[in-house]
Amino acid sequence: KAGVTQTPRYLIKTRGQQVTLSCSPISGHRSVSWYQQTPGQGLQFLFEYFSETQRNKGNFPGRFSGRQFSNSRSEMNVSTLELGDSALYLCASSLTGGTTNEKLFFGSGTQLSVL
Amino acid sequence: AQKITQTQPGMFVQEKEAVTLDCTYDTSDPSYGLFWYKQPSSGEMIFLIYQGSYDQQNATEGRYSLNFQKARKSANLVISASQLGDSAMYFCAMREGLGNTPLVFGKGTRLSVIA
Repeated sequence: KAGVTQTPRYLIKTRGQQVTLSCSPISGHRSVSWYQQTPGQGLQFLFEYFSETQRNKGNFPGRFSGRQFSNSRSEMNVSTLELGDSALYLCASSLTGGTTNEKLFFGSGTQLSVL
Repeated sequence: AQKITQTQPGMFVQEKEAVTLDCTYDTSDPSYGLFWYKQPSSGEMIFLIYQGSYDQQNATEGRYSLNFQKARKSANLVISASQLGDSAMYFCAMREGLGNTPLVFGKGTRLSVIA
């Protein structure tokens, strides 16, 4: 079974631009979560999608948005990029996200650098 | 307030020795799950072990075991017989409630195994 696939692996953008990151979950997984990882803040939860609906949302500004398609693939978008958005963005999938013990399977991440 | 606290930013251990990575958590929910993940330099988060709040026994998975002390709200990871390949970041995480809630991570501990 293929793992979680994130594209692209690396991105370099300039301030003010927007960016779209893509995530393909493990086949059969319907829940997709996004995390931002920085050296200072660690892993911070962005949002989670299940069946094309945003089910949970972290404490990030509205410049961060996402969506999920009917095949469970997900995209996240960051508009009006700021230097502080430079981070590793991790996507994780799980079957339903609906049980306490359900583990997340992570992709290798997209490393975004904002210049 | 921090939900997950990992007080050791970095740890060193000699190859073949055991090491304990500390994790304390904060929740008032009687139902929760605790997870440990490993993140090598490649970036992908790898699930190691899970402990549920109602589990009577400490979880074990191969060389990994979890020292779960519920009253003290601690869930320390014990790695036995350390190997050079164990050098990585280690994250403790918690999901509160019965499901449909995000996994919240600590800031991690960097483990270096010395030959």
